[in-house]
Amino acid sequence: EVQLLESGGGLVQPGGSLRLSCAASGFPFRSYAMGWVRQAPDKGLEWVSTIRGLEGSADYADSVKGRFTIYRDSSNLYLQMNSLMAEDTAVYYCAKHYGANSDWYFDRWGRGTLVTVSS
Amino acid sequence: EVVLTQSPGTLSLSPGERGTLSCRASQRVSTHYLAWYQQKPGQAPRLLIYAASSRATGIPDRFSGSGSGTDFTLTINGLEPNDFAVYYCQHYGPSPQAFGRGTKVEVK
Repeated sequence: EVQLLESGGGLVQPGGSLRLSCAASGFPFRSYAMGWVRQAPDKGLEWVSTIRGLEGSADYADSVKGRFTIYRDSSNLYLQMNSLMAEDTAVYYCAKHYGANSDWYFDRWGRGTLVTVSS
Repeated sequence: EVVLTQSPGTLSLSPGERGTLSCRASQRVSTHYLAWYQQKPGQAPRLLIYAASSRATGIPDRFSGSGSGTDFTLTINGLEPNDFAVYYCQHYGPSPQAFGRGTKVEVK
């Protein structure tokens, strides 16, 4: 069974940093593209970043480019978030793409981890 | 960059009725790259439809997707109490990916 478990969320001051983790199991992790999707309080879904399977290249939304970095190891997905702003406050979901490339839908989602950026 | 506009923002229906949700793209998109998700309060989104009209595993056949070009539709036949939720469309083609703002289906 596919399982995705996020961790690392919390309260951080503006300008601070945070690293989110997503522990993955139940599928050949390296073979699939993985992504982060966020949802601000009472708002819709916003794609943040995707890292491709196998070759490992990544894409970012313009809103986080240059501040966030996605990377992975053998069974975990990470999102390093720097220069955080109030607008980054959201629940961050880890999600599995259906295939190795980024142009596939998300077929599995984690439960999310809340990031709050506030002084 | 594809922008998705969903309408209506809120749909008020009674159990047993049919719900028709619209997703309009700012430019022509391939049907291969259009998905629909359901999200209930406090839960992660769940994949319903991919490639515009293919149901995901375990999704009941009262959910159906259709459309092409710039106009796509999610239809829910015979709404059940468990179907009242927010629905999002997504374009998952070449980056950047995009979600619509969602349609809330609420009890009338």
